[in-house]
Amino acid sequence: QKEVEQDPGPLSVPEGAIVSLNCTYSNSAFQYFMWYRQYSRKGPELLMYTYSSGNKEDGRFTAQVDKSSKYISLFIRDSQPSDSATYLCAMSRTGGSYIPTFGRGTSLIVHP
Amino acid sequence: GAGVSQSPSNKVTEKGKDVELRCDPISGHTALYWYRQSLGQGLEFLIYFQGNSAPDKSGLPSDRFSAERTGGSVSTLTIQRTQQEDSAVYLCASKLSWDQPLQHFGPGTRLTVT
Repeated sequence: QKEVEQDPGPLSVPEGAIVSLNCTYSNSAFQYFMWYRQYSRKGPELLMYTYSSGNKEDGRFTAQVDKSSKYISLFIRDSQPSDSATYLCAMSRTGGSYIPTFGRGTSLIVHP
Repeated sequence: GAGVSQSPSNKVTEKGKDVELRCDPISGHTALYWYRQSLGQGLEFLIYFQGNSAPDKSGLPSDRFSAERTGGSVSTLTIQRTQQEDSAVYLCASKLSWDQPLQHFGPGTRLTVT
């Protein structure tokens, strides 16, 4: 079993839909949880991060962490075609070199 | 300000040749990572530099891979005697300091070994 599991998709939704992207993990030592967006042939860009459990909202994006279930989510409201990209979850422990463990990424397609 | 830059953006090489990939981190960032991203796969950690400390090489897949960071800034990833399975996108990331979890990625170098 991989430390971080993420469904690669693709996930295809109509414009305006609410999108839910998820990752599960097995290492209970993870404390930092991050979401990156990666457009085709580009490097990943950090969207959001949370520390420990809870929710964080930034515009149309909401990140949720449920440490008891070892489950994290990224919600995108009012999805736009420009949101079409691969979304990577990443997580790391505190201390040490903070080398994150990444999920495989979920490909999202928002069609007009 | 300027982000992380990488060169070349694309590299095609013949099997058995050596290649060098370059990363210029964000100015002032002390930590630098190299990752490999193969088609349909997540990011695979390769090596980590922090300041003047010895690098964490635990992710390097074989002794054909090496990296250095000169003057605490620019880094070069070298792959010797390239193999077809080395074909991937090589990504560099930097962050402000060791205790910050957030990394800023470059655009990557797409390596194709023929």
